[in-house]
Amino acid sequence: DTEVTQTPKHLVMGMTNKKSLKCEQHMGHRAMYWYKQKAKKPPELMFVYSYEKLSINESVPSRFSPECPNSSLLNLHLHALQPEDSALYLCASSKSLADSSYNEQFFGPGTRLTVL
Amino acid sequence: AQTVTQSQPEMSVQEAETVTLSCTYDTSESDYYLFWYKQPPSRQMILVIRQEAYKQQNATENRFSVNFQKAAKSFSLKISDSQLGDAAMYFCAYRASQGGSEKLVFGKGTKLTVNP
Repeated sequence: DTEVTQTPKHLVMGMTNKKSLKCEQHMGHRAMYWYKQKAKKPPELMFVYSYEKLSINESVPSRFSPECPNSSLLNLHLHALQPEDSALYLCASSKSLADSSYNEQFFGPGTRLTVL
Repeated sequence: AQTVTQSQPEMSVQEAETVTLSCTYDTSESDYYLFWYKQPPSRQMILVIRQEAYKQQNATENRFSVNFQKAAKSFSLKISDSQLGDAAMYFCAYRASQGGSEKLVFGKGTKLTVNP
């Protein structure tokens, strides 16, 4: 199973809502990633988890709150978002640097988020 | 910090012809990985090909090959016998290490159109 799944596929939320994005993989990967991708732009890294611990936060606003409850799951909690946060949110997973020197990142299909 | 530059925002190729996408990067590291990822419209990002810097031999995956020029910090992708299914955004990426984890630094992408 080389699949990364993301739910929901689409999400529309108001600026006062609280919602969560979910990502799951069963490849035994211990590194998981959140990226934000605006239209016609490359993915921008937001967070990296390694062995369920946050290892990289690319200065993301606190209205985005990541969580890695176990080695297979990655959540992104959203609160008080702005319209400019509308984007495709991609999750990826890979082996950890501690486990392997070469680690291909496998990407999920993304959640398309619209903030009204 | 590492940077990745793709100087061709858009490219087009006739079906069955060959096209080359350009990528240059900047790094002070001596060993690193480079990748080409493909993102078809409304579909998920997949790895096309990878190259490890210490390997002098250019990587090849079926119709896809790279021209890796380490001294020039150049990493171009050649697609032979182009097919309609090759139409996509192509991102060149550099694997960077940070805080014991790794992250991908992407170029801005090249949109490839394949004409029948």
